[in-house]
Amino acid sequence: GQQLNQSPQSMFIQEGEDVSMNCTSSSIFNTWLWYKQDPGEGPVLLIALYKAGELTSNGRLTAQFGITRKDSFLNISASIPSDVGIYFCAGPSNTGKLIFGQGTTLQVKP
Amino acid sequence: EAGVAQSPRYKIIEKRQSVAFWCNPISGHATLYWYQQILGQGPKLLIQFQNNGVVDDSQLPKDRFSAERLKGVDSTLKIQPAKLEDSAVYLCASRISPDRNTEAFFGQGTRLTVV
Repeated sequence: GQQLNQSPQSMFIQEGEDVSMNCTSSSIFNTWLWYKQDPGEGPVLLIALYKAGELTSNGRLTAQFGITRKDSFLNISASIPSDVGIYFCAGPSNTGKLIFGQGTTLQVKP
Repeated sequence: EAGVAQSPRYKIIEKRQSVAFWCNPISGHATLYWYQQILGQGPKLLIQFQNNGVVDDSQLPKDRFSAERLKGVDSTLKIQPAKLEDSAVYLCASRISPDRNTEAFFGQGTRLTVV
């Protein structure tokens, strides 16, 4: 079945640094969604990508939909302590089933 | 616009007991999902509804888990009887449709602990 692989699995960075994480698949996705999950909460949608090559920003976050439609990356610029959490990529299958990656855990040292 | 509502937020039960979770999706959202998220892992789909019909329940352990969405709006997920390995966060999400250019929104989840 379709799977999404995220890397890195975890990151520990200094406040103010930029962060990059990515998500890859062996099959094509037509939509990429990036979510952030804080402890004890449900995932919150950060950015949605709908076209191959699309580059979309949301404040300090930037995400791109890969040209091959098999990957996507998420960048966070000038990280702050509240960026701490788990970041998930997700994509819908042809039947609308929403598939998630394993997540990238981000820790930010003040 | 109100988000996805779930209750309860937390539940602790003994193994072999039964438990039920409730979800009210965003108004007008035809697609509803239940996910199980075990600590340290990504959400795993249990069941997907389109209105009141089941689209995908291939990963639902049907010997103990059941879910319904009788009127195509709110939904309940039941576990009977619970096992220790069912300890997880149960997330409900909704989308306006399963079409690819639509976004899914999540509730806060129900954290289940089976002791």
